[in-house]
Amino acid sequence: EPEVTQTPSHQVTQMGQEVILRCVPISNHLYFYWYRQILGQKVEFLVSFYNNEISEKSEIFDDQFSVERPDGSNFTLKIRSTKLEDSAMYFCASRVDRGRDGYTFGSGTRLTVV
Amino acid sequence: DQQVKQNSPSLSVQEGRISILNCDYTNSMFDYFLWYKKYPAEGPTFLISISSIKDKNEDGRFTVFLNKSAKHLSLHIVPSQPGDSAVYFCAASLTGNQFYFGTGTSLTVIP
Repeated sequence: EPEVTQTPSHQVTQMGQEVILRCVPISNHLYFYWYRQILGQKVEFLVSFYNNEISEKSEIFDDQFSVERPDGSNFTLKIRSTKLEDSAMYFCASRVDRGRDGYTFGSGTRLTVV
Repeated sequence: DQQVKQNSPSLSVQEGRISILNCDYTNSMFDYFLWYKKYPAEGPTFLISISSIKDKNEDGRFTVFLNKSAKHLSLHIVPSQPGDSAVYFCAASLTGNQFYFGTGTSLTVIP
């Protein structure tokens, strides 16, 4: 069964450093998403991406965050200057269209900012 | 802002019995709802969905009920199996794009 692949599975970074979280969505999917889950809290929407541009973003997705689909297969989330409160599980997801199916999520990247 | 709430953090059920997971929402404009299942160290897996024009959707052992007047949905699993032990999230959407998730209910099915 097709999968959404995320790398790395765990990333530890120092506060103030830049991190790039990588995702390979399912190949025929057109809509891409990043969500995050801070430990013990709910899964929160960050951003959606379609047709090479951001289609929606949440208040969490401020100027420190950016997304890119550099080569038609990878979908990346960059955090420019990490803060302690960015520590969370980051999930990438994709879907074929905005129809009535759910997303397919990746297994997540656990980001720990120290 | 908690637009989607799952008030029971955990639930234990005997194998073979019915599991009922509940979810409440505050925004009456939500028009699409999903349930996801999550195992440790994995991403959420889509389970079942329901549109606001329906009040019930069934898929095998899983049935989702929607009560719009009460802003409440529930997931029924019958019969429950040990492999169903996982965290279950409900999620709701206005646009079909961004989803608002609840905090999850951890289901344990006891053999």
